[in-house]
Amino acid sequence: SYVLTQPPSVSVAPGETAGITCGGDNIGSKSVHWYQQKLGQAPVVVVSYDSDRPSGIPERFSGSNSGNTATLTISRVEVEDEADYYCQVWDSRSDHSEVVFGGGTKLTVL
Amino acid sequence: QLQLQESGPGLVKPSETLSLTCSLSGVSITSSTYYWGWIRQPPGKGLEWIGIIHHSGNTYYNPSLKSRGTLSVDTSKNRVSLKLNSVTAADTAVYYCARGPPNYDTYGYYDFWGQGTLVTVSS
Repeated sequence: SYVLTQPPSVSVAPGETAGITCGGDNIGSKSVHWYQQKLGQAPVVVVSYDSDRPSGIPERFSGSNSGNTATLTISRVEVEDEADYYCQVWDSRSDHSEVVFGGGTKLTVL
Repeated sequence: QLQLQESGPGLVKPSETLSLTCSLSGVSITSSTYYWGWIRQPPGKGLEWIGIIHHSGNTYYNPSLKSRGTLSVDTSKNRVSLKLNSVTAADTAVYYCARGPPNYDTYGYYDFWGQGTLVTVSS
């Protein structure tokens, strides 16, 4: 099955820029969605279709996707951005289709 | 405003069947073009997709569940159900229901989630 690889953790100081990667075989040919999950809460989508921002999501959140890597970029990081982040794709094959999540990245704001 | 609420037993014995329902409010499931899905998260671990269902009956499942899972729609009660049989401790998780992508675009994302319900598999 399709595998998405994320770094387990990323640390950044407030006001800096954080980049969280999501690696997958030719992931650039797929649509990637990013979720933020704070402790004890349900996930919330922060970037959809590689680089779109759903209503209500700050402009600080952006995404890109090319080749074998998709990236979620959080500019001017705030303490409230500390959370787990997951990438997600729909993997469609000849014999089955499924949603795949990355393993998640814990963003720590120092 | 769309709301989803999961409900079901919090404790299930090994080898038995886990049954959960997701009640929808703010939308009629039969008028919706969207898929409705289940995602779970073992304690301290990442998200695992279980499957999605459209009210027309079209479904997709995670092949790793090895056909243990069944999704269904009850249009009279406006809810979606999940049954997972032959459970083991590995099925212990918070189970979320969520609104999935529209039926014309399964590549889409999950934008409305329930609060989740913890199910523990233990004797």
